[in-house]
Amino acid sequence: GAVVSQHPSWVICKSGTSVKIECRSLDFQATTMFWYRQFPKQSLMLMATSNEGSKATYEQGVEKDKFLINHASLTLSTLTVTSAHPEDSSFYICSALRGAPTYEQYFGPGTRLTVT
Amino acid sequence: EDKVVQSPLSLVVHEGDTVTLNCSYEVTNFRSLLWYKQEKKAPTFLFMLTSSGIEKKSGRLSSILDKKELFSILNITATQTGDSAVYLCAVLAGTASKLTFGTGTRLQVTL
Repeated sequence: GAVVSQHPSWVICKSGTSVKIECRSLDFQATTMFWYRQFPKQSLMLMATSNEGSKATYEQGVEKDKFLINHASLTLSTLTVTSAHPEDSSFYICSALRGAPTYEQYFGPGTRLTVT
Repeated sequence: EDKVVQSPLSLVVHEGDTVTLNCSYEVTNFRSLLWYKQEKKAPTFLFMLTSSGIEKKSGRLSSILDKKELFSILNITATQTGDSAVYLCAVLAGTASKLTFGTGTRLQVTL
């Protein structure tokens, strides 16, 4: 199956700092990637759709100035949590959409962010 | 707004039991329904269902979709402790390839 990586796996940062999370599709090109957030014992909530070469599309209630998404190439999307606060602590998961014929989404292993 | 509801929320069974997990949905422009297993990290793919009434099987796991009644079930027979996980149902709808996830069913299999 296709492989999607995320870096870092786990990050602890101080309140007020910014954190960048990378999502890479290792063996296929992905024009579309998705960013999800998962709080403890809750399901995955879609934050935004990242499109290569254009602006990301954010879901309702997600602040685009706080969660900056850059999809600079067909294999890399980054999510930057700016001025992080403890309430941003969560598990962030990306997925990459493979094109024809399957159009399946492949998930990265996730990044656990803890803001102190 | 697209909605996916799973039941039960949580389930504890003994090893060897058979379990049935439920997923119902209300979405616009349904394309497919997917089941995932999530342990400590990101979800791992189990099944994708597009057509009604066709059972998909993988070992002890099987799943079926009813597009008329808008639900799917995931069956696990002869459960093992390694089946303990959260099982997520997600629906792909519309043209944007976005997945809407249910709340998940937390399954614990005890000895």
